[in-house]
Amino acid sequence: LAKTTQPISMDSYEGQEVNITCSHNNIATNDYITWYQQFPSQGPRFIIQGYKTKVTNEVASLFIPADRKSSTLSLPRVSLSDTAVYYCLVGDINPGGGADGLTFGKGTHLIIQP
Amino acid sequence: DSGVTQTPKHLITATGQRVTLRCSPRSGDLSVYWYQQSLDQGLQFLIQYYNGEERAKGNILERFSAQQFPDLHSELNLSSLELGDSALYFCASSPLPGASIETQYFGPGTRLLVL
Repeated sequence: LAKTTQPISMDSYEGQEVNITCSHNNIATNDYITWYQQFPSQGPRFIIQGYKTKVTNEVASLFIPADRKSSTLSLPRVSLSDTAVYYCLVGDINPGGGADGLTFGKGTHLIIQP
Repeated sequence: DSGVTQTPKHLITATGQRVTLRCSPRSGDLSVYWYQQSLDQGLQFLIQYYNGEERAKGNILERFSAQQFPDLHSELNLSSLELGDSALYFCASSPLPGASIETQYFGPGTRLLVL
C-alpha cells in the first residue's frame, strides 16, 4: 500500500477555508484516495473519496492532480466542531485484492479557533 | 451511528490476563476489520475477516487472535496482556473484501486499560 505523508498539525479560524495536503508518491494505478475524520474516543468517519481530478460532496472537496502523487482535502468555512484528526489513505480498489486493511498514518491534527 | 457495535465500551484488567472484545458489523456487511489505536502508534490495522475466513493480516501480535462467526459477528482475543496493550480497539465493517471501493464503517471502539 502506498505510504502517505501529511502535516502533523494545523490550525485555523472559524469561517476560513482549510486545505490539508497529503503526499502519496508511490500511489498505484488501482488505488483510491480516501479521507477520514476522527474525533477523540470515536472511530474514524468517512469524509470523501476520489480517484482523480476533483470530487465534491456536502462536507468537503478533494483535489487530485493529474499525476495523483498528492491530494488536497478542502474544508469550506470551518467551524469549531471541525477540530479533529484527519487521515489520508490510499488503497487498492480491486475487491479481490485482499488488501491489508486501510493503512492509517498519524493524521493531521486540525485545531479550529474562534 | 455507523451501525457497527462494539462491546464492552471500556475494559480495565491486569497484566497477564486475557480479554475478548466483540464486534457486530453493519447489517449485510461481510467484512470485519480490527484496528488498534495507541497514542504513539496511531491507528494500526490488525486483521481482516471476510464471511468467516481470515483475509488479511496486519501488525497483529501472536498473543492476539480473532475469529468471525457464522452470524458475522467477530471477536478479538487478547491474551497475556501487557501494559503496552492499553489502547483503543476499533472494529470496522464493509460489504466487500476490498478496502477501498466501499468505505469502512467504524464502531465506537473499546478502550482497554491494562494495569
